[in-house]
Amino acid sequence: QQQVKQSPQSLIVQKGGISIINCAYENTAFDYFPWYQQFPGKGPALLIAIRPDVSEKKEGRFTISFNKSAKQFSLHIMDSQPGDSATYFCAASKKAAGNKLTFGGGTRVLVKP
Amino acid sequence: DTGVSQNPRHKITKRGQNVTFRCDPISEHNRLYWYRQTLGQGPEFLTYFQNEAQLEKSRLLSDRFSAERPKGSFSTLEIQRTEQGDSAMYLCASSSLVGGGHNEQFFGPGTRLTVL
Repeated sequence: QQQVKQSPQSLIVQKGGISIINCAYENTAFDYFPWYQQFPGKGPALLIAIRPDVSEKKEGRFTISFNKSAKQFSLHIMDSQPGDSATYFCAASKKAAGNKLTFGGGTRVLVKP
Repeated sequence: DTGVSQNPRHKITKRGQNVTFRCDPISEHNRLYWYRQTLGQGPEFLTYFQNEAQLEKSRLLSDRFSAERPKGSFSTLEIQRTEQGDSAMYLCASSSLVGGGHNEQFFGPGTRLTVL
């Protein structure tokens, strides 16, 4: 049972463009939705996170949009840079379950100069 | 370096052998998590500790897998009688309980296991 579904699997964007990654979840008990960035050979690193009582959160060039009724959330990367080329994972967790993370399948982003 | 460290970084073993991985979390982090990541997939939860107590084990963690955190500091993950399907990246993460909310999980670089 895949509790967090992520799309697309990969995307190519030109430098300066916008990257959009979407995720959908099934478990309405989830109460925390982080996005992680992973470079080859490295562990995932937290990029930005949102709680379900907020519809949008922005940090620098990264924005999370959250739609609780649709059980969907998305990551927007504005002004994409070649250094943003990485794999991005959405995740979800609930405090009552020890905050263990349930990850999406990942999106490989390539930013072309 | 005050991040999460994992050793070894790479391990190649033959089917049927036992392997043990070590994770050193960020100092004073109460929680320690193990995840497994196969190529092209997102990490999957295996187990987690709060201090020295193992609080949950995933169904993915068969009887051949065992994890310990004897003094509430470092943790070990042992796989007995390895199978080719165990080939994956094993990730460790730690977090603090300060504040009582959803605190960030900091991941280590992982141990890549290859079972021949």
